[in-house]
Amino acid sequence: EVQLVQSGAEVKKPGESLKISCKGSGFHFPTYWIGWVRRMPGRGLEWMGIVYPDDSETEYSPSFQGQVTISADKSISTAYLQWSGLQASDTAMYYCARLRAGYTYSDAFDIWGQGTMVTVSS
Amino acid sequence: DIQMTQSPSSLSASVGDRVTITCRASQTISNYLNWYQHKPGKAPKLLLFRASVLQSGVPSRFSGSGSGTDFTLTISSLQAEDFATYSCQQSFRVPHTFGQGTKLEIK
Repeated sequence: EVQLVQSGAEVKKPGESLKISCKGSGFHFPTYWIGWVRRMPGRGLEWMGIVYPDDSETEYSPSFQGQVTISADKSISTAYLQWSGLQASDTAMYYCARLRAGYTYSDAFDIWGQGTMVTVSS
Repeated sequence: DIQMTQSPSSLSASVGDRVTITCRASQTISNYLNWYQHKPGKAPKLLLFRASVLQSGVPSRFSGSGSGTDFTLTISSLQAEDFATYSCQQSFRVPHTFGQGTKLEIK
């Protein structure tokens, strides 16, 4: 079965660092772009960025560039989203998702992880 | 960034109704337009890509059309399981922005 499985919910304090993960299985992970999408309460989906695990090429939304780091380790079929200093405004559900066609990033997300809820509160 | 604007923001309908949701891009995106369905507590689900191509496993009552800047998602005969939020997304240019969503509720 083709799937993405994300790490569990996190509760953090402002200023703390965090790295959440997304493990793929059932497909050739290195040659599919993997992306991250944020959903905040009462708001629409926000495209954060993508990574190509085979060579770690990344594309970021300007809204998230410098705020998060997206990476991948193709040897363990896992993508990551990390923060170096969380803020309360980072409280949201975060999804990883696979781009449908492996050879281009101009495509749709066809496989989604179950989501990781991140809560940042003092 | 390319702005994606959906209308309406919310919609009430009954089982069996035909429903249309529109999505407008702030600049031309050819046919690089995707539609997703999402329900509370669940991950979004891809319905259509390239404006009109039905994703495998999606019922044929869902259809999409459009090119350039204006697109539509149509559900030909609403079923109970279709009450959800629908979002469009452009994949023409990074960042691949989403619309704000259309919440489809039971009348």
